[in-house]
Amino acid sequence: NAGVTQTPKFRILKIGQSMTLQCTQDMNHNYMYWYRQDPGMGLKLIYYSVGAGITDKGEVPNGYNVSRSTTEDFPLRLELAAPSQTSVYFCASSRPGLAGDEQYFGPGTRLTVT
Amino acid sequence: DQQVKQNSPSLSVQEGRISILNCDYTNSMFDYFLWYKKYPAEGPTFLISISSIKDKNEDGRFTVFLNKSAKHLSLHIVPSQPGDSAVYFCAATVGTASKLTFGTGTRLQVTL
Repeated sequence: NAGVTQTPKFRILKIGQSMTLQCTQDMNHNYMYWYRQDPGMGLKLIYYSVGAGITDKGEVPNGYNVSRSTTEDFPLRLELAAPSQTSVYFCASSRPGLAGDEQYFGPGTRLTVT
Repeated sequence: DQQVKQNSPSLSVQEGRISILNCDYTNSMFDYFLWYKKYPAEGPTFLISISSIKDKNEDGRFTVFLNKSAKHLSLHIVPSQPGDSAVYFCAATVGTASKLTFGTGTRLQVTL
């Protein structure tokens, strides 16, 4: 199993550009998540999904959109990139239905908006 | 409002000694707590967890203690090894929501 994979690893965007961060998991996990980590801070939840076709906002959803058309994929869309979106983005997945179940993280995408 | 706090940004411990990482929380609804370990340029990896119905959980060199009345948990690593050098995040969740709230992390350095 590859686990959770994310592409790209690094990206530099100009202000106002758009991009999609890709996330794929091969563990047949129903739950998937997007987090961002700013320097010196913990991870903050952007969006999450409990299954294909179902998504919901996390703590910091503004400026982002998600979709979940398959169990495996959970892309994160940035529209009109802003410098405040400079961060490291982590995708994660987990098994369904268990309290506090372990989340498996991808290696991250480092995004710089200039 | 930081619901999960790790007040020590860094900790240095000699190899073979005990490392104690602390975490405080404010939300009394949290009922499951997890520790994640993160190496540079990698995603966090799960280390150990504890349910609020327990006060201790042990896995090899790692033990997590939970003091619900104080809203405090700690991670003990004994003995500490150089490979334990990483950033450790405390996280908490409510019920089956699976939405983790993370602390800001503690960077542990284990020296020879």
